[in-house]
Amino acid sequence: AQSVTQPDIHITVSEGASLELRCNYSYGATPYLFWYVQSPGQGLQLLLKYFSGDTLVQGIKGFEAEFKRSQSSFNLRKPSVHWSDAAEYFCAVARRAGGGNKLTFGTGTQLKVEL
Amino acid sequence: EAGVTQFPSHSVIEKGQTVTLRCDPISGHDNLYWYRRVMGKEIKFLLHFVKESKQDESGMPNNRFLAERTGGTYSTLKVQPAELEDSGVYFCASSQVRGKNTEAFFGQGTRLTVV
Repeated sequence: AQSVTQPDIHITVSEGASLELRCNYSYGATPYLFWYVQSPGQGLQLLLKYFSGDTLVQGIKGFEAEFKRSQSSFNLRKPSVHWSDAAEYFCAVARRAGGGNKLTFGTGTQLKVEL
Repeated sequence: EAGVTQFPSHSVIEKGQTVTLRCDPISGHDNLYWYRRVMGKEIKFLLHFVKESKQDESGMPNNRFLAERTGGTYSTLKVQPAELEDSGVYFCASSQVRGKNTEAFFGQGTRLTVV
């Protein structure tokens, strides 16, 4: 069975500092990988996704993530965090299911940004 | 274009009562998913519709939960009778059936509290 681990439940960074959120997955085949963000009162928004090809993927809001097969990781990075990035971030893995993608999520990382 | 819409945004009910959650997917999206996040835990898959057919309902907790998608448009998730452990945030997502690179769009969720 596939699984996703986000080892950091809470992270606090200063505005302007760099950010890396960790994600490790367990999956038997090449996974489809995603990062979602949930801001207070909002739904889940897709930041970026990896299906194949270039292992460094760019997303919205200045985020990027790198797929490392040897480490089973898909860490999310941002060079300079803004106060508006404070939110909860979810890593997810999917297998193709009936024409769509059924997602398995990690437990999430709550990001706090200090001004 | 309207996104995925969920009703109500919040619901507080007593144990033993019935609650029905509704999800309106993005128009033209044949895939519809229900997920649930119990407090402090990961977001977990409940079930997947392709049009009006249940493709995968392996995540449904028990027979107190009933999901329907009449005519392949909106979906409802009924909990009857509700128990305390049913409290959580219920998310709906939809995606197109188009190749393998299908992105799931999420609603803002329904926060259900059973007291």
